[in-house]
Amino acid sequence: EAQVTQNPRYLITVTGKKLTVTCSQNMNHEYMSWYRQDPGLGLRQIYYSMNVEVTDKGDVPEGYKVSRKEKRNFPLILESPSPNQTSLYFCASSFFGTSDEQYFGPGTRLTVT
Amino acid sequence: QKEVEQNSGPLSVPEGAIASLNCTYSDRGSQSFFWYRQYSGKSPELIMSIYSNGDKEDGRFTAQLNKASQYVSLLIRDSQPSDSATYLCAVNKNTGNQFYFGTGTSLTVIP
Repeated sequence: EAQVTQNPRYLITVTGKKLTVTCSQNMNHEYMSWYRQDPGLGLRQIYYSMNVEVTDKGDVPEGYKVSRKEKRNFPLILESPSPNQTSLYFCASSFFGTSDEQYFGPGTRLTVT
Repeated sequence: QKEVEQNSGPLSVPEGAIASLNCTYSDRGSQSFFWYRQYSGKSPELIMSIYSNGDKEDGRFTAQLNKASQYVSLLIRDSQPSDSATYLCAVNKNTGNQFYFGTGTSLTVIP
């Protein structure tokens, strides 16, 4: 089954404790992206990647890191999480970038206390 | 000014009616436009994509694009209670490879 998977689905952590949210797709997509969704603010792009070893900042990259060492994986790293990073996070992928539809993962609900 | 703007709603329509959802965008060079549906607690799923001026129909859904006026709309005919969800408008950025999403319009279809 073609899909984007994310893990964990739910995470409660404390300020400053490094965490990684994994994202994997099995559709051989070139483009992968991370979003956060907050009430009243909608989906905002954090980072995106056009291909292996190619990553770029979105609109809200502060406090996040990403890497794209393999085509299928695009982990999101929070080196020192803060309460303002409490949010619902989505990973998404598409074949060729912004001219194609994106397929979204199931989401990761992160709470930072 | 936001890159993509939508009325947050809520929009309520009776079952069987036409629901009309609107979206405006600020980047005149944008080329790709998408409508996603998001049920509460779920991830967005694509309904329609549109790239050229005019109408594009898919079943009960019609997307309309007017690049001169910088708006894109979604019509849902014969609305069903299962259409009750938040509808997100997404637009690509003309330069670079970013997407911008609106904050979504909440639609309720009343049986």
